[in-house]
Amino acid sequence: EIVLTQSPVTLSLSPGERATLSCRASQSVSSYLAWYQQKPGQAPRLLIYDASNRAAGIPARFSGSGSGRDFTLTISSLEPEDFAVYYCQQRDNWPPTFGQGTTVEIK
Amino acid sequence: QVQLVQSGAEVKKPGASVKVSCKASGYTFASYNINWVRQATGQGLEWMGWMNPVSGSAGYAQKFEGRVTMTSDTSITSAYMELSGLRSEDTAVYYCAKVLSCSSSSCWYTFDYWGQGTLVTVSS
Repeated sequence: EIVLTQSPVTLSLSPGERATLSCRASQSVSSYLAWYQQKPGQAPRLLIYDASNRAAGIPARFSGSGSGRDFTLTISSLEPEDFAVYYCQQRDNWPPTFGQGTTVEIK
Repeated sequence: QVQLVQSGAEVKKPGASVKVSCKASGYTFASYNINWVRQATGQGLEWMGWMNPVSGSAGYAQKFEGRVTMTSDTSITSAYMELSGLRSEDTAVYYCAKVLSCSSSSCWYTFDYWGQGTLVTVSS
């Protein structure tokens, strides 16, 4: 199965700063990569699908890029509600797999 | 609006079985597969399997083959996940999730709506 490695494990930033999260796949997943946000005690929320498409209702400050093995989630200017854990997930190869997560915490 | 509402928390003894339900509303239940994902406390997300609400077809991660069964009842737009032979490592929050898109031949493994989660605790 495809292994997704996210980096960094933890990102410490202040509101208003730019966040850049990475996800690397053990083999190519084409553009079939999604990003989810999860807050404590809540279910994951779909942010980005197929590498660069924002899901319904997701603010424009969230953007995704990449293809093949390397992907990036960018939050252009962090809002207080953006501090959370972010997971990438691939659907190119069965079974679908998730990365281990990146925690974006308040500095 | 789309909603997936899951059954309440469960406490089970090792070796027992648990069945979690997921009641769907706000969309055409028959048109989208339901997947199940679990998350141990403080850990990441682990995909368990999928099921088609109309055909009853299902596919499971190898790790759960032989222990998990995913079913549905279209008359009440509900999906179910039953896990047997429970062990302490199965203690986790279990989520149902609706897929984002389906064609006539296949569904994506991208999940746009999730249930609130069901905590299953396995303890003697």
